[in-house]
Amino acid sequence: GENVGLHLPTLSVQEGDNSIINCAYSNSASDYFIWYKQESGKGPQFIIDIRSNMDKRQGQRVTVLLNKTVKHLSLQIAATQPGDSAVYFCAVWGDNAGNMLTFGGGTRLMVKP
Amino acid sequence: NAGVTQTPKFQVLKTGQSMTLQCAQDMNHEYMSWYRQDPGMGLRLIHYSVGAGITDQGEVPNGYNVSRSTTEDFPLRLLSAAPSQTSVYFCASSYDREQYGYTFGSGTRLTVV
Repeated sequence: GENVGLHLPTLSVQEGDNSIINCAYSNSASDYFIWYKQESGKGPQFIIDIRSNMDKRQGQRVTVLLNKTVKHLSLQIAATQPGDSAVYFCAVWGDNAGNMLTFGGGTRLMVKP
Repeated sequence: NAGVTQTPKFQVLKTGQSMTLQCAQDMNHEYMSWYRQDPGMGLRLIHYSVGAGITDQGEVPNGYNVSRSTTEDFPLRLLSAAPSQTSVYFCASSYDREQYGYTFGSGTRLTVV
């Protein structure tokens, strides 16, 4: 089965600094990866996705990097703001035979003013 | 307003009681799923559906039933509530498996005493 985990449960950064949140996955057949942001009391919110035929994708202030060789992806947030404080989850789709989106355990990002 | 609507937002049950968590989406999404989120943890898939009349089990299906009689609705039934089912439940939907991941509802916080 899929095993998706995060290296750091809590990340504290200074406002304006860049943040990097990491995620490891176990199924080499996984082909679609998503980062979600979850604020307190709310459901997860889509941030950015990447497919396995890419190794980098950029959005507004966010970049996702995918390293299929070591089954690792990361979320980079540029110029972190107080509004970025939340829990971040990576989620991984299984292979084509599966329709299950598996979530990692989450990393709490705390932004210090 | 387009989106995923979950009701109720909060619920307290006694052990052994049954209830149905409602989930409705108005985006004509084929994919719908139920997740539970325990404190400090990621989301675990309970059941999912890839279209009306089609449901399948996720990683933690025991104690829960689902049905999908229409595209819009995907109710989750707790057959005989247990304290271990105390959690926050999220319903999510997607147009397909690779369309910006899932759109999540705001959750139902369930406490079983």
